[in-house]
Amino acid sequence: GAVVSQHPSRVICKSGTSVKIECRSLDFQATTMFWYRQFPKQSLMLMATSNEGSKATYEQGVEKDKFLINHASLTLSTLTVTSAHPEDSSFYICSARGSPGGRGTDTQYFGPGTRLTVL
Amino acid sequence: AQSVTQLDSHVSVSEGTPVLLRCNYSSSYSPSLFWYVQHPNKGLQLLLKYTSAATLVKGINGFEAEFKKSETSFHLTKPSAHMSDAAEYFCVVSDRITSYDKVIFGPGTSLSVIP
Repeated sequence: GAVVSQHPSRVICKSGTSVKIECRSLDFQATTMFWYRQFPKQSLMLMATSNEGSKATYEQGVEKDKFLINHASLTLSTLTVTSAHPEDSSFYICSARGSPGGRGTDTQYFGPGTRLTVL
Repeated sequence: AQSVTQLDSHVSVSEGTPVLLRCNYSSSYSPSLFWYVQHPNKGLQLLLKYTSAATLVKGINGFEAEFKKSETSFHLTKPSAHMSDAAEYFCVVSDRITSYDKVIFGPGTSLSVIP
């Protein structure tokens, strides 16, 4: 079945540093990828939608310069948290939209998430 | 505008009894609807999805959901709860707007299963 991977699964960094999270669709091409943020015991909040080869569309209240998204290819999107601060600590989840094998309707497949802790 | 309401933040059932997790939505378009499950410290797993085909959708692990347009509901059910069903459940609505999806997650329902 379709698989979406995220790397790293867990990262701890110092305040002020930047962290890059990768999201890959492993067996299908994803023209659209999504990035979500989840606080403890809360729902997922959509941060941005990225289409391959174009600029990401950010949700209201999400800082573009803080959360840089690059959708470089049909199988890779990256989220860079710049100048991270403790309040950026969260669980970040990506998803990729596609149709593995070209069959059926497009579906979103979610990655396993990346837990970011900023000290 | 889209929105998703999960009427119960927490549901507790005894093992072997039926499960009902409620979801209501609002959408300006013809939405796709999903249920996802998230076990503690894990990613999301798709349980089932509705995409304008059959209104009764069967998913994995014995779950099913019925799309009722007149009630704008998409409640998740299972005839008999298992201990492994204890997790967080999210109802999700997705509209195709122009060239991309607009996906909204519900607030989640935490399911506890009592032995």
